Amino acid sequence: QKEVEQDPGPLSVPEGAIVSLNCTYSNSAFQYFMWYRQYSRKGPELLMYTYSSGNKEDGRFTAQVDKSSKYISLFIRDSQPSDSATYLCAFLGLTYNTDKLIFGTGTRLQVFP
Amino acid sequence: EAGVTQSPTHLIKTRGQQATLRCSPISGHTSVYWYQQALGLGLQFLLWYDEGEERNRGNFPPRFSGRQFPNYSSELNVNALELEDSALYLCASSLYRGSNSPLHFGNGTRLTVT
Repeated sequence: QKEVEQDPGPLSVPEGAIVSLNCTYSNSAFQYFMWYRQYSRKGPELLMYTYSSGNKEDGRFTAQVDKSSKYISLFIRDSQPSDSATYLCAFLGLTYNTDKLIFGTGTRLQVFP
Repeated sequence: EAGVTQSPTHLIKTRGQQATLRCSPISGHTSVYWYQQALGLGLQFLLWYDEGEERNRGNFPPRFSGRQFPNYSSELNVNALELEDSALYLCASSLYRGSNSPLHFGNGTRLTVT
């Protein structure tokens, strides 16, 4: 079983749709959960950063962590063509240094007008 | 605040040659990380430098090496290039090495080996 699983997509949605991006993980030591957004020909940029369980909201973006199911989600409300990018989930244990950050392979999202 | 900068943007080499990639971290960041992003494989951790020392390396052969300079900038060297080394090489920096210090990435160097 892979440590992190992420559907590669592509996920194609119309403008204004609600998008749900998901990752599953197997390592129960993970305590920090992140979402990065990567535009074509650019480096990943940190979008959301959560510790432990629960929800975190930032504008149109909501990150959700369900540690009992080992499942994290990123919801995008009122999606825009500018949201078209690859979204990477990332995980880190509580006492781990940042070099131990584990990334998913990314989901490619396309939002069409 | 200037972000992480990498040079060159693109690099084309032939098999067997050496490649040198450069990275300048965000001002004040002392840790630099190198990742390889090959098509379909996601981000693979290569090397971590902190305060001028190599702190950890990923599962890559010794022909991948680097260093960190006193100003915290870093260089990645790839010797004896192979075709499968073609990838996007990303540099990231963090403020400190703790687990609550997120990574900030540059836009990468696209290395093509022919």
